[in-house]
Amino acid sequence: AQTVTQSQPEMSVQEAETVTLSCTYDTSESNYYLFWYKQPPSRQMILVIRQEAYKQQNATENRFSVNFQKAAKSFSLKISDSQLGDTAMYFCAFGNEKLTFGTGTRLTIIP
Amino acid sequence: GAGVSQTPSNKVTEKGKYVELRCDPISGHTALYWYRQSLGQGPEFLIYFQGTGAADDSGLPNDRFFAVRPEGSVSTLKIQRTERGDSAVYLCASSFVGTGSSDTQYFGPGTRLTVL
Repeated sequence: AQTVTQSQPEMSVQEAETVTLSCTYDTSESNYYLFWYKQPPSRQMILVIRQEAYKQQNATENRFSVNFQKAAKSFSLKISDSQLGDTAMYFCAFGNEKLTFGTGTRLTIIP
Repeated sequence: GAGVSQTPSNKVTEKGKYVELRCDPISGHTALYWYRQSLGQGPEFLIYFQGTGAADDSGLPNDRFFAVRPEGSVSTLKIQRTERGDSAVYLCASSFVGTGSSDTQYFGPGTRLTVL
């Protein structure tokens, strides 16, 4: 069975600080994609960043970057210079067509 | 609009009733996905379409749930004899190609279903 574990149900950090959200997963597949999605109270799931499992280089998107350790099945998200608008639920997911999601981390950015 | 749209945004029904939830994917996207998100959980996969056909319906919980995409664009998720446990947010997503390539799934705002 494919599973995703997000061990931090809630996190809070001061504005402008850096925060890292953890994610581990389990799969027997060798080729897949990994994602971090953000879900604000509006319910809309918004893509934050994507990583192809066959690529060793970690993905980056502006203030967002990942630390992907394929052997350890770990895929953490780092948010630099955090902003108030980053406050949301963050979900880690992996798969191809059928995505498996974690239970989420509620991130609060404190002014 | 350019994004995935879902209607209605909220639906309240009584136990035992039939409901239909609609999803309009991003124009040109060939793959469409349905997920269910219960309170405090991440989305759970229900079904995905490649074109008009259901390529994987392994997530549908039972035969009360059915989905169609007759013309390869709009999709309808149908739930018969609703139960209180069906209460959740139903999310729809679409992608350009759903064949294990690099295409990302873009989500709609969801339909919140409440079964009384």
